[in-house]
Amino acid sequence: GNSVTQMEGPVTLSEEAFLTINCTYTATGYPSLFWYVQYPGEGLQLLLKATKADDKGSNKGFEATYRKETTSFHLEKGSVQVSDSAVYFCALFPSSASKIIFGSGTRLSIRP
Amino acid sequence: DTGVSQDPRHKITKRGQNVTFRCDPISEHNRLYWYRQTLGQGPEFLTYFQNEAQLEKSRLLSDRFSAERPKGSFSTLEIQRTEQGDSAMYLCASSPSGQVVEQYFGPGTRLTVT
Repeated sequence: GNSVTQMEGPVTLSEEAFLTINCTYTATGYPSLFWYVQYPGEGLQLLLKATKADDKGSNKGFEATYRKETTSFHLEKGSVQVSDSAVYFCALFPSSASKIIFGSGTRLSIRP
Repeated sequence: DTGVSQDPRHKITKRGQNVTFRCDPISEHNRLYWYRQTLGQGPEFLTYFQNEAQLEKSRLLSDRFSAERPKGSFSTLEIQRTEQGDSAMYLCASSPSGQVVEQYFGPGTRLTVT
């Protein structure tokens, strides 16, 4: 079946540190991959996406590359800010379905 | 357009009562989705509409749950005879038609069953 496994949190970093949140997936076919972010008190927002192997999604300084050979879609940012504190969800959109399958989320806290 | 809206934002109810939530999607979106998110978990798919037709339902959607989208615009999710295990955040999302499109999420309705 289709599933997403992501790094457990919470993750606590100092401002300007390098961020990696690991995400691996299991899927049949060729899914699209997403990172969603949930800021405190707000709804889920799409952060970035990649629709095929080797695509790189990027937004707000965050990047993730669709790696089919390792079935991974790790989220990275070179220099985090306090405003990046949120819960991050890795997700996949199976090629044959309409629903998104989410990972369990990783809570990120950035210290000033 | 201000995005997907949900009402109410919070609902506290006693076990055994019925509750109904409303979702207003982005106006030009013909697809509407309901998800449930429990504490510390990612959202789980419940059901999906294309216009007024309910095309898919998860096994999570027991007989106590019913969703409608009567005119292909807003949708309601009703839970009958609520149980404590129904306590969760109920999320609504909408998207236009297409093969791979972004789903836009509302702020959610937090249900607490006491």
